[in-house]
Amino acid sequence: SQQGEEDPQALSIQEGENATMNCSYKTSINNLQWYRQNSGRGLVHLILIRSNEREKHSGRLRVTLDTSKKSSSLLITASRAADTASYFCATDQGGSEKLVFGKGTKLTVNP
Amino acid sequence: DTAVSQTPKYLVTQMGNDKSIKCEQNLGHDTMYWYKQDSKKFLKIMFSYNNKELIINETVPNRFSPKSPDKAHLNLHINSLELGDSAVYFCASSQEPYNEQFFGPGTRLTVL
Repeated sequence: SQQGEEDPQALSIQEGENATMNCSYKTSINNLQWYRQNSGRGLVHLILIRSNEREKHSGRLRVTLDTSKKSSSLLITASRAADTASYFCATDQGGSEKLVFGKGTKLTVNP
Repeated sequence: DTAVSQTPKYLVTQMGNDKSIKCEQNLGHDTMYWYKQDSKKFLKIMFSYNNKELIINETVPNRFSPKSPDKAHLNLHINSLELGDSAVYFCASSQEPYNEQFFGPGTRLTVL
């Protein structure tokens, strides 16, 4: 079954607004990661949050992790047209040597 | 310098043919992966190698065979191509199996 499920599937906002994407997963994890994929490109790692962390920041990105609810959120503040991409969460499965990716959220930032 | 490179970027071929995709990383990572991304953008791991040893082999048809001649290279050979093999194939690498992964640009395979 799908480990990570992003919500919403698609999100359209105006430049300058904040964008929030959510990810839910099913099994215990060691860490959760977020990746970005621009159209026609490979995935780019954004941020990794470990299971004992609750919040992490990187530039305009803020990630939260709630292991009791098995969920994470990615907040992009002051969005730019260049943030237009698909965003994926990925989890290990409690020590498994592989990452399982969600289906992604397609974010469109309109200028 | 490109960290993870794949060739070719596009591959169009007929059903039944055999084809290979090559991947190279210059990051000094120990672990390399092949992923398949379908038309709905769902990304699924196929294989993983650590120090040239196969550590993950998902439920993939035997027609797919990875080969790792050294730590920096992981190639994917596909025999008897089928229509359903059409997808984008990504190579990736990481220092440790479940840490940050670096992806190649992808190979778009179209089987006619």
